[in-house]
Amino acid sequence: NAGVTQTPKFQVLKTGQSMTLQCAQDMNHNSMYWYRQDPGMGLRLIYYSASEGTTDKGEVPNGYNVSRLNKREFSLRLESAAPSQTSVYFCASMAGVSDTQYFGPGTRLTVL
Amino acid sequence: KNEVEQSPQNLTAQEGEFITINCSYSVGISALHWLQQHPGGGIVSLFMLSSGKKKHGRLIATINIQEKHSSLHITASHPRDSAVYICAVRSSQFYFGTGTSLTVIP
Repeated sequence: NAGVTQTPKFQVLKTGQSMTLQCAQDMNHNSMYWYRQDPGMGLRLIYYSASEGTTDKGEVPNGYNVSRLNKREFSLRLESAAPSQTSVYFCASMAGVSDTQYFGPGTRLTVL
Repeated sequence: KNEVEQSPQNLTAQEGEFITINCSYSVGISALHWLQQHPGGGIVSLFMLSSGKKKHGRLIATINIQEKHSSLHITASHPRDSAVYICAVRSSQFYFGTGTSLTVIP
């Protein structure tokens, strides 16, 4: 099992460019999450998907969109990147509400 | 406002010392998680608690639901324990502390 995979690992964008961060899990988990991690602020939830076909906003959804393509894949899209979106992005998945979260390796995004 | 507060922010210990990291939270929770973030950035889950105490090797985690407080203890600390330890609570969503950076010196 690969667990949770994320692509790309690193990305540099110019202000206004768009991109999609990909996340996939092979553990047949129902729930998937996108977080951003900024220095001194801890992980913050951007969007989550409790099950295939559903998505909900988290704490900091502005500037992002998500797609739960199927049970395995949950993508995060930046339509018009801004320097404030410079961060490390983590995807995570969880089997059920009482279970452990499994994290991907992260994507380090810089917006110039 | 911070739903989850951790202390200390930074901690340096000599190898072999007993270490305690504290976590306080302000929301109603269904579970509390302790995570470890390695220097390379990867995050792994150490414990999930809803009551009492759990032990895994040299790591012990406790939670007091009434006081909204949890502690992570590391016995006989080792340089390989050097990492950032993050407390997270599950409420209507997950909330995370800012982490405790631990350095264990040989």
